[in-house]
Amino acid sequence: ETGVTQTPRHLVMGMTNKKSLKCEQHLGHNAMYWYKQSAKKPLELMFVYNFKEQTENNSVPSRFSPECPNSSHLFLHLHTLQPEDSALYLCASSQGSSGSTNEQFFGPGTRLTVL
Amino acid sequence: AQSVTQLGSHVSVSEGALVLLRCNYSSSVPPYLFWYVQYPNQGLQLLLKYTTGATLVKGINGFEAEFKKSETSFHLTKPSAHMSDAAEYFCAVSAQAAGNKLTFGGGTRVLVKP
Repeated sequence: ETGVTQTPRHLVMGMTNKKSLKCEQHLGHNAMYWYKQSAKKPLELMFVYNFKEQTENNSVPSRFSPECPNSSHLFLHLHTLQPEDSALYLCASSQGSSGSTNEQFFGPGTRLTVL
Repeated sequence: AQSVTQLGSHVSVSEGALVLLRCNYSSSVPPYLFWYVQYPNQGLQLLLKYTTGATLVKGINGFEAEFKKSETSFHLTKPSAHMSDAAEYFCAVSAQAAGNKLTFGGGTRVLVKP
């Protein structure tokens, strides 16, 4: 595998389900990100992790719970979601070190539908 | 703080015509600038970036962009549109002093007419 991978690519879940999204980067980066992309809305940054530590949470509801066990893996745990949470969830990574340009590399996304 | 404005959420061009997508930014420190492309149901792919040096930057698929500090702009162009250029394009800004975040514009969806 190369670059940034995300699984699953598509997910349909009910409002009472619990599911997790997985992201893995094979680039040796130290920073990872979750974004939400909804139709007709700008790209929304949700969480930022640097060297496994969460450095940003953009007022994301607690029904979204991120986990970063190491610099290569990032999870987004989902529970009791709402239909308005249906969106494309994108993971990205970047070098994360001082002096870098902050160029981010994106995964293909998980298309989430909440029924 | 940084911000990005992309003029026009939708642009329609004829195949073979010039593609021009406008991006203006604001940044209190020297910026790094990026253009990304997103095809349907895919992630964002880097087209090109400006960090330092030459202000005219060439990217993949025949695209190029020019950094104009005096105009705080980083417009994206391609001389001749191809059907495969139909996608959404995002301009983004970052800065070394602003931490490791990208600030994205709202995106411009390009439609290419035969």
